[in-house]
Amino acid sequence: GENVEQHPSTLSVQEGDSAVIKCTYSDSASNYFPWYKQELGKRPQLIIDIRSNVGEKKDQRIAVTLNKTAKHFSLHITETQPEDSAVYFCAASRAKGKLIFGQGTTLQVKP
Amino acid sequence: SAVISQKPSRDICQRGTSLTIQCQVDSQVTMMFWYRQQPGQSLTLIATANQGSEATYESGFVIDKFPISRPNLTFSTLTVSNMSPEDSSIYLCSVDWDRVETQYFGPGTRLLVL
Repeated sequence: GENVEQHPSTLSVQEGDSAVIKCTYSDSASNYFPWYKQELGKRPQLIIDIRSNVGEKKDQRIAVTLNKTAKHFSLHITETQPEDSAVYFCAASRAKGKLIFGQGTTLQVKP
Repeated sequence: SAVISQKPSRDICQRGTSLTIQCQVDSQVTMMFWYRQQPGQSLTLIATANQGSEATYESGFVIDKFPISRPNLTFSTLTVSNMSPEDSSIYLCSVDWDRVETQYFGPGTRLLVL
């Protein structure tokens, strides 16, 4: 069935360094790929998304890349700050509304 | 974006009882969804709440256990029936507000079943 694999499960970086989280998906018909940030005790917040007709999208310090051939997409955070510490989830969708989530990555940014 | 609220924010329930969770949006939305997030885990879609018709459930979730209502375009309820400790989770509603597949989540309901 549809599946999204996310790596790594935990990531620790020094403040100012870059962080990269990778996801692969199984359903080649997937065409929408959002990323959510979830702080402890809070709701998931959409931070960036990309659609299948685009290879890369950037918003200030965060960027997402998509390789449809390889069926993987990645989140890149540059110049990390302590407030970037959270759990990040990738997701994939091919049908309106049916988001399949990855397992999550706990990012710790050490000051 | 839409403002989404959920009630209750948290509850502690006894096994065998049922709890109804409400999701309210401040504007009309096309699609509303219910997710479960078990402790320390990812999000799993329970069902799509359809306005005026029966909800569409994902594999592993059934209507008898998770009945859903959606009487209008701004409101939905999820009931967790005949609860067991395994139902202890965060339950979140989400909405597709702008009709371009972007989903926004409510604050969640933290349920503990004893």
